[in-house]
Amino acid sequence: SQTIHQWPATLVQPVGSPLSLECTVEGTSNPNLYWYRQAAGRGLQLLFYSVGIGQISSEVPQNLSASRPQDRQFILSSKKLLLSDSGFYLCAWTSWNTGELFFGEGSRLTVL
Amino acid sequence: AQKITQTQPGMFVQEKEAVTLDCTYDTSDPSYGLFWYKQPSSGEMIFLIYQGSYDQQNATEGRYSLNFQKARKSANLVISASQLGDSAMYFCAMSLMNTGFQKLVFGTGTRLLVSP
Repeated sequence: SQTIHQWPATLVQPVGSPLSLECTVEGTSNPNLYWYRQAAGRGLQLLFYSVGIGQISSEVPQNLSASRPQDRQFILSSKKLLLSDSGFYLCAWTSWNTGELFFGEGSRLTVL
Repeated sequence: AQKITQTQPGMFVQEKEAVTLDCTYDTSDPSYGLFWYKQPSSGEMIFLIYQGSYDQQNATEGRYSLNFQKARKSANLVISASQLGDSAMYFCAMSLMNTGFQKLVFGTGTRLLVSP
């Protein structure tokens, strides 16, 4: 069966520090991968999606970047974090059969 | 462009009662899918139910049913016989099927509180 994991689960970082959140999927090949952000009490905002290795599409201009170095690995990064980067980050992959999005456990980032 | 609107920031229901969470959507594309997800306080996103735009019948999954009214562009979630464990945030979402990939756009969510 397919599984998705992301880490770290919780992160507290100072303004201006770098960021790296990692997501891996197992049990499927060539998935579409996504990074979403959820601000406190808000809905999910799509940040990046990837349809293959090295292929990244950005949905909103921002201080973050994404990379897909391997088929089932998706990384969210920043060189210098801003206060506004705080939030709950969710990695997800798509099932082609149903269109259902499967989410990781989420990473809660607090920038101080 | 796709847009999902959830106009109820919060809803209250008593245990064992039914509740309807509203969702309207906007797209000019004829092929799309509609989803509902549940997010408990733990933060995980749990898939509840799916409705395709060409599906003739309303989707049902256990206590969850989707009241799909295509002409009105609404996809309301109905939870029957509410349980305390149903207290959570609920998100409606939509994806377009003809783009070669599935990009899910979410609404702002409705917080449901089930009281004893």
